Amino acid sequence: KQEVTQIPAALSVPEGENLVLNCSFTDSAIYNLQWFRQDPGKGLTSLLLIQSSQREQTSGRLNASLDKSSGRSTLYIAASQPGDSATYLCAVRDSSASKIIFGSGTRLSIRP
Amino acid sequence: NAGVTQTPKFRVLKTGQSMTLLCAQDMNHEYMYWYRQDPGMGLRLIHYSVGEGTTAKGEVPDGYNVSRLKKQNFLLGLESAAPSQTSVYFCASSYPTGQGHEQFFGPGTRLTVL
Repeated sequence: KQEVTQIPAALSVPEGENLVLNCSFTDSAIYNLQWFRQDPGKGLTSLLLIQSSQREQTSGRLNASLDKSSGRSTLYIAASQPGDSATYLCAVRDSSASKIIFGSGTRLSIRP
Repeated sequence: NAGVTQTPKFRVLKTGQSMTLLCAQDMNHEYMYWYRQDPGMGLRLIHYSVGEGTTAKGEVPDGYNVSRLKKQNFLLGLESAAPSQTSVYFCASSYPTGQGHEQFFGPGTRLTVL
């Protein structure tokens, strides 16, 4: 059974720092992995989607990597800003492309 | 495009009452999903659909039923609500090709069962 873990559960860093969020999964037979951002009381906003054949995706200050063999993905945020404060969730879609397992998220706080 | 919309946004039920949550998408997506999110936890898949007229169980299907009579709509029903079903419910949709099954989410429905 696929399990998805995000550590740490919470992270606080000063503005301007580069940071890395981690997502690990137990079954390497995946279809894709997607990173989301969730603001308090809001829905999920898609940040980056990495297909199983890809190693990384980039969007602006965000870079997501995927290493299936080790069951890990990282989300790199460059030059963090207070507006980046939110909960970041990763979701793994299994190889059948039907089922999705979410991690419990990392709550990020950027201090001005 | 409105994307994914959910109705209602908030609802309070008494134990034993029934209700239906409506999800609609205007992106012509084949796949649709219902999730629940509880405090301190990630999202858990309740039911999903891979096309009009099809449904399948997810991780936590007990106590819920779904229907996909039209491609653009996915309904989640609670026949006899229980306090354990107090949660925030999210609907999502995706398309297998082109967008590579990127999921798009609705704004959520906050349900309280007393």
